[in-house]
Order: sequence, then C-alpha cells, then structure tokens
Amino acid sequence: DVKVTQSSRYLVKRTGEKVFLECVQDMDHENMFWYRQDPGLGLRLIYFSYDVKMKEKGDIPEGYSVSREKKERFSLILESASTNQTSMYLCASSFFTEVQTQYFGPGTRLLVL
Amino acid sequence: EDQVTQSPEALRLQEGESSSLNCSYTVSGLRGLFWYRQDPGKGPEFLFTLYSAGEEKEKERLKATLTKKESFLHITAPKPEDSATYLCAVQAGSTGTASKLTFGTGTRLQVTL
Repeated sequence: DVKVTQSSRYLVKRTGEKVFLECVQDMDHENMFWYRQDPGLGLRLIYFSYDVKMKEKGDIPEGYSVSREKKERFSLILESASTNQTSMYLCASSFFTEVQTQYFGPGTRLLVL
Repeated sequence: EDQVTQSPEALRLQEGESSSLNCSYTVSGLRGLFWYRQDPGKGPEFLFTLYSAGEEKEKERLKATLTKKESFLHITAPKPEDSATYLCAVQAGSTGTASKLTFGTGTRLQVTL
C-alpha cells in the first residue's frame, strides 16, 4: 500500500513564526506535491517537485517555499506565517509516468493566530 | 485553461437509494481522470483512474465511467459509511515533468438510514 505521512495532524502557530511542514512517502515516487484546501475553493497547488532539489511553483506559491533534499521527503516552509495561511495542508506523491495518479497524506490542519 | 465542474454540490440519499455523481471537464488532451473520496478532516483517498472514453471501473458499490466530456460515479445501494465528499480531478497536456491535476470542488454525499 502507498503510504504518505505528514509530520503533524494539527498545528497552532503565531503570526510571524516560521513553520515547517514535512511529508514523507515510502513508494519511491519521483513527484511530490503540496496543496492547501479551503472551503469553497477546493484544492490549490502550492509547489511541486519532480526530483531531488528540483521544485516548481504551483498556482499559489506566494508566502511559501519548499525543500527536497531526499527523494522520499518534501518540506513546505511558511517563512513568516500569516492568518490567511490558516488552512488544511495536503501532501501528495506520484510516479513520473504518463498518467500520474497522486496519493495523498492525512493532512495538516494549521491555525495561525 | 483546464476546468472541472462537479454536480451536484451536495446529495442526500437514503440507504439503498442508488444515484450518480457527475464530473464534467474541459481539458486539452486528457491523460487521465481520477476519483477520490475524502472524509472530514482527512486527506483524499484514491478510488479510480480512468484513461480513455468508454472505460469503466468498479469497487464495491462504486462504479466510475468516462466519456469524452464527463465522468460519472455511480453509487449502487449506498450505505451510511459511503457518506463523504467525492472529488474528481483531471490530468491533461504534457508529461515532461510532474503533471498538475485540476480538481473539482467535490460532491458532498450524505447517506441516511
């Protein structure tokens, strides 16, 4: 079974704090993705990576950065958390094949006060 | 721009009352269409990948079908445990690197006794 894990299920942070969200997959997937999910807006892609040290911007990268130092691990960094970054954050991974089924982690619900 | 529209937004069924969820898409060069199930507060769980028009896939009470313009998720004799939000997503275009998925906003299904 594909397994994608995320470092925390719930996080509470203060405005201005630096926040690290970590994702680990055990299926040797090349691709990894970070989304946020908000009511009424659906899933929105923040950043993705197709290889170690490679990253590409998604649809809403502002205020975020990412790091991929190992194939199985993809980190999302909020450099200075703001209240509008309160959201559910979802990590996903997939093989680099013609049709790329993505498998999701359990999500991290982040509250920024 | 790729678009995915799901209908209805919400659906309430009685146990045993079969129905269908719709996913209409507008994409340039469909590579794959995906169905996910999402329980409240959790990450999406993969259900099906459909590759080409005419394809059908089944899993327990769920059957997914695909045409050139839309996909249906048929739920036969649903049970309360089928209550969840069902998400549809499409992958289109080039697969030079990791491919972005375009998600619909989901259909929230409630099955009552």
